[in-house]
Amino acid sequence: KQEVTQIPAALSVPEGENLVLNCSFTDSAIYNLQWFRQDPGKGLTSLLLIQSSQREQTSGRLNASLDKSSGRSTLYIAASQPGDSATYLCAETGTGTASKLTFGTGTRLQVTL
Amino acid sequence: DAGVIQSPRHEVTEMGQEVTLRCKPISGHDYLFWYRQTMMRGLELLIYFNNNVPIDDSGMPEDRFSAKMPNASFSTLKIQPSEPRDSAVYFCASSLSYRGYPDEKLFFGSGTQLSVL
Repeated sequence: KQEVTQIPAALSVPEGENLVLNCSFTDSAIYNLQWFRQDPGKGLTSLLLIQSSQREQTSGRLNASLDKSSGRSTLYIAASQPGDSATYLCAETGTGTASKLTFGTGTRLQVTL
Repeated sequence: DAGVIQSPRHEVTEMGQEVTLRCKPISGHDYLFWYRQTMMRGLELLIYFNNNVPIDDSGMPEDRFSAKMPNASFSTLKIQPSEPRDSAVYFCASSLSYRGYPDEKLFFGSGTQLSVL
């Protein structure tokens, strides 16, 4: 069974700080990796998707990287804002299981004023 | 588009009762997924459909759980009889197909918070 781990479980940073969220996965045949954002009481919103052939993806202040050899992905948030406060989840899809995402348990981020 | 719509938003029921959760996917999406989220286990895929046909239900925990998709715009997840350990947030998500696989970007509904007393 594939496992996805996110550390830390919670993180608090002051506004304006750059930060990195970590995601580790055990699947050696990863198809892609996604980062999602979840606000309290809401569903998940897809932020970035990295195919296995890619090393990184960028969207605005967000940058996600993928290192298959080490089984790691990072989500970099530049110049954090209070509106970035949410839970961030990563999810991997294995080759041959294109429809099955295995989610991490998330990192709860709080950006303080 | 209004996005993926789930109902009800909250459901409180007593053990042994039947519970039906509903989902309307985004129009035109041909993949539909049911997930369950708990503090202990995180997000788990229960079942998914392609063109209204169940493709993989290996995540359905027990025979007490069943899901249907009678048409492209509606799906239900039923629990009968319900138990306290079924308490969780149940999410529905949909996506487009691409090259035979889901266009990996999933669109999630806001979820149904189920409490079984």
